[in-house]
Amino acid sequence: DTEVTQTPKHLVMGMTNKKSLKCEQHMGHRAMYWYKQKAKKPPELMFVYSYEKLSINESVPSRFSPECPNSSLLNLHLHALQPEDSALYLCASSQVVAEKLFFGSGTQLSVL
Amino acid sequence: KNEVEQSPQNLTAQEGEFITINCSYSVGISALHWLQQHPGGGIVSLFMLSSGKKKHGRLIATINIQEKHSSLHITASHPRDSAVYICAVRYTGNQFYFGTGTSLTVIP
Repeated sequence: DTEVTQTPKHLVMGMTNKKSLKCEQHMGHRAMYWYKQKAKKPPELMFVYSYEKLSINESVPSRFSPECPNSSLLNLHLHALQPEDSALYLCASSQVVAEKLFFGSGTQLSVL
Repeated sequence: KNEVEQSPQNLTAQEGEFITINCSYSVGISALHWLQQHPGGGIVSLFMLSSGKKKHGRLIATINIQEKHSSLHITASHPRDSAVYICAVRYTGNQFYFGTGTSLTVIP
């Protein structure tokens, strides 16, 4: 299994909603990442987890809250988002940090 | 330090043509990653290399460490190769820095 699975594929939420994005991999990778990508722009790193511990937080606003419950799962909890947070959210994993990245297909998020 | 430049930004080719996409970076790196992103979002890793050349099917990636430059070549291009190709470099830390991508359209 060489897949990174992200759910949901699409999400529309209001600014007062709370929602979560989920990411799962079964490749035994010990590094997992959240990226944000705006249209026609490269992915921007948000968070890196290494061995289930948060190792990089790229000054992301607290309305985004990551969680790594175990080595296969990565969540991104969303609360009180702004319309400018609308983007494609990509999860990735690698064997260890900074090795070859395997990406999920992303969650397209729209904040109304 | 973080600059990763790709060229061209957009590329249109006829089916069967040989295609080259370029990536330049500003300081020494420990690895370089070529990625492919199709419309709809999914990103696929094509190559990760730190020296020399790698080949997979019709794709070839080369890197010249002294010139701080990498190229991705596609031989006998096909419409299914239409995608955005992204170069990402790793310096001495634990992050990849992404180029702005090259949008490739292959016309039948």
